[in-house]
Amino acid sequence: AAGVIQSPRHLIKEKRETATLKCYPIPRHDTVYWYQQGPGQDPQFLISFYEKMQSDKGSIPDRFSAQQFSDYHSELNMSSLELGDSALYFCASSTFYNEQFFGPGTRLTVL
Amino acid sequence: AQKVTQAQTEISVVEKEDVTLDCVYETRDTTYYLFWYKQPPSGELVFLIRRNSFDEQNEISGRYSWNFQKSTSSFNFTITASQVVDSAVYFCALSEETGANNLFFGTGTRLTVIP
Repeated sequence: AAGVIQSPRHLIKEKRETATLKCYPIPRHDTVYWYQQGPGQDPQFLISFYEKMQSDKGSIPDRFSAQQFSDYHSELNMSSLELGDSALYFCASSTFYNEQFFGPGTRLTVL
Repeated sequence: AQKVTQAQTEISVVEKEDVTLDCVYETRDTTYYLFWYKQPPSGELVFLIRRNSFDEQNEISGRYSWNFQKSTSSFNFTITASQVVDSAVYFCALSEETGANNLFFGTGTRLTVIP
């Protein structure tokens, strides 16, 4: 069965650089969620989209933005990166209000 | 406000022992969903179960079973006859009907199964 695809799987950036993470949901899933998991922490909700519209916003810094495109894939854009942004970033997808299935994550390291 | 508490930070058991992971939640919503996810050392989050607030029936899936008790706001997870492959961090999570289906995670329980 098709799963959520995230790219890249690993990313290394310098402070103050920008990064773009991509997420391709499971086919026919209309909702995408982004979560950030710091080292030894639980995942924290960042933002979600339903049918290409933002549906909810969590603890996402103003330096981050995201959108969902017409083909339902989503991108998380991160600017002015800080050391504290180093984390595992998960994308999850679902059909409306059903269980979320997570991608493998993108591990971002900011040096 | 919503909250998920997993009081057990780390648990170690010997292979073939049974183990129960505790989860206590808080929510003001009458309609909500409870989840368990497994995060093995490879890092991915694996969906295990979703239970809605109106379904208190316990569930068994192979060696896994879940006990949902609204009276104590608990959703505990038991692994029977544990195996080394069960070693992982297990997260309990909550989503509320009013919360656009976003997940609030507990802090996780790291389970180590010793051969």
